[in-house]
Amino acid sequence: DAKTTQPPSMDCAEGRAANLPCNHSTISGNEYVYWYRQIHSQGPQYIIHGLKNNETNEMASLIITEDRKSSTLILPHATLRDTAVYYCIVSPLGYNTDKLIFGTGTRLQVFP
Amino acid sequence: ETGVTQSPTHLIKTRGQQVTLRCSSQSGHNTVSWYQQALGQGPQFIFQYYREEENGRGNFPPRFSGLQFPNYSSELNVNALELDDSALYLCASSSSRAVVNTEAFFGQGTRLTVV
Repeated sequence: DAKTTQPPSMDCAEGRAANLPCNHSTISGNEYVYWYRQIHSQGPQYIIHGLKNNETNEMASLIITEDRKSSTLILPHATLRDTAVYYCIVSPLGYNTDKLIFGTGTRLQVFP
Repeated sequence: ETGVTQSPTHLIKTRGQQVTLRCSSQSGHNTVSWYQQALGQGPQFIFQYYREEENGRGNFPPRFSGLQFPNYSSELNVNALELDDSALYLCASSSSRAVVNTEAFFGQGTRLTVV
């Protein structure tokens, strides 16, 4: 079973920041938080991952709480192309990075 | 474009038949995993291959089997197809040589319909 909990759906206006929460209260000290997204009819796409520090790349920012029990993925300026299902996954350090346990994710709808 | 290609893109089979799905990994990746994604659900891990050996398996029966070849391409075989096997089948490749966890690269998937 997935070790994360996410809201089933969220809406966001185009150009605004999309903040997607994830609860992982049972995360272990050696587990990373990964985010993937899946645009309709495509394979999942890696977005970002982190252990305990906040991370930022060209796609998004990842904010992890100090106790590591929850995190937030931030898309700073959402576009219509960001409409997708977003998956939050925890995976142990050193674990093969494609033995991923997906939940049902958050369906983000970006509207004009 | 992830560099991971799957074939065919769509397939229709009859219950009881056998099917083989193929995946070409990204260049330099020696690890491949297969996932099953039913409609409205997240992908479910089937198994992983590393250097041509099975390296972990999810909760799938033995009629789901795989192969990985020396060039790191792979196959997923499903025998005695059931209606519930209808799903999107995804493969993902990664490099075990990565020191720190990095991402998996997914193909576009094969949509299998069992009738």
